[in-house]
Amino acid sequence: EVQLVESGGSLVQPGGSLKLSCVASGFTFSNYWMDWVRQTPGKSLEWIGEINTDGSKTNYAPSIKDRFTISRDNAKSTLYLQMSNVKSDDTAIYYCTRKGGVDWGQGVMVTVSS
Amino acid sequence: DVVLTQTPVSLLISLGGQASISCRSSQSLVHSNGNTYLHWYLQKPGQSPQLLIYQVSNRFSGIPDRFSGSGSGTDFTLKISRVEPEDLGVYYCLQRTHNPYTFGAGTKLELK
Repeated sequence: EVQLVESGGSLVQPGGSLKLSCVASGFTFSNYWMDWVRQTPGKSLEWIGEINTDGSKTNYAPSIKDRFTISRDNAKSTLYLQMSNVKSDDTAIYYCTRKGGVDWGQGVMVTVSS
Repeated sequence: DVVLTQTPVSLLISLGGQASISCRSSQSLVHSNGNTYLHWYLQKPGQSPQLLIYQVSNRFSGIPDRFSGSGSGTDFTLKISRVEPEDLGVYYCLQRTHNPYTFGAGTKLELK
């Protein structure tokens, strides 16, 4: 059974940094592109970015480019989202997804507030 | 960025009835490889989104044939026949043809 478990969410101050993790199990992690998607309190979904199988290629949404970085550790079957210079608009539930949205984690909450 | 406009915003449907949701794109979703990467998701209350339909009309594994997708180019439709209680939630369309990938704003399906 495919499982994606996000962690690392918390309350962070504007301008601060946070790193989210997503531990994968039930499939060969290194074979799949992975994405991060977020859902704001207003409930809309926003694609953040994706990473290829060996971590050599990433694509990002313009709204977070140069502030967020997606990486992965295939040996640990773990996907990461490094968030920097966060803003109040980054307050959301963050999901990792496999295979372009076939499988989703349960999500982790990030709140940006002073 | 590609804008996906979903209508209606909400739907009140009786059990056993039929629902139809439209997703219109600001530009063609036909990829240069000829495929159309328009997918449909259902987010049930308190859950993560789940894939229903991929590439316009293909039901994902385990999705009942009450769900059907159609369309081409810029206009797409999700139909749900014989609505059951477990179909309630918010439906989203997603395009993965053009980077950045974008979602529609969602359509909430509720019982009449």
